[in-house]
Amino acid sequence: SQQGEEDPQALSIQEGENATMNCSYKTSINNLQWYRQNSGRGLVHLILIRSNEREKHSGRLRVTLDTSKKSSSLLITASRAADTASYFCATDAYAGGGNKLTFGTGTQLKVEL
Amino acid sequence: DAGVIQSPRHEVTEMGQEVTLRCKPISGHNSLFWYRQTMMRGLELLIYFNNNVPIDDSGMPEDRFSAKMPNASFSTLKIQPSEPRDSAVYFCASSFFQEAEAFFGQGTRLTVV
Repeated sequence: SQQGEEDPQALSIQEGENATMNCSYKTSINNLQWYRQNSGRGLVHLILIRSNEREKHSGRLRVTLDTSKKSSSLLITASRAADTASYFCATDAYAGGGNKLTFGTGTQLKVEL
Repeated sequence: DAGVIQSPRHEVTEMGQEVTLRCKPISGHNSLFWYRQTMMRGLELLIYFNNNVPIDDSGMPEDRFSAKMPNASFSTLKIQPSEPRDSAVYFCASSFFQEAEAFFGQGTRLTVV
């Protein structure tokens, strides 16, 4: 089962524009992570935000977390064609002696030239 | 390190046959995850291990699926007997418990005909 739901399911923008993706989840978490998946490849970790953090930056990425609303957003600024990929949020919750990492449904981002 | 290594990359098998997927996690990582990805169901967590011990197998769809981790450097996911609805991409991922970030293999694309 999936912990997170992402919105929108698909997003198409022009190069140079910003892209915002949202994630909602259901249960308490230790941290929330964002991953990227290029077509036919494995997922690659982008950024992690802990449950006691509200905002985090990494290069052109900005992540926010609102634990009261159980939601997070990923902003990619000044998008490039190479950013075209699927983006997933993943919730990390301590469970039974290990960290359970559960993924959302993903947002397909297409950045056009 | 070569990253998480999965084999085979592609597997085509006939319905009713046994299928074994293999995973070598990154050396030193103590958590290992098996996921299944389909268009319809997205990325599902099947099972995860911590220090070679299965922690949560609630995502394993049926008794036809089983997973083992006999040591820290090897895990298998077995489907017996396989069915066409098992067709999917199966990912293995590993992480160092305290650092949370998961590293994914390239996946095994399974087709059951």
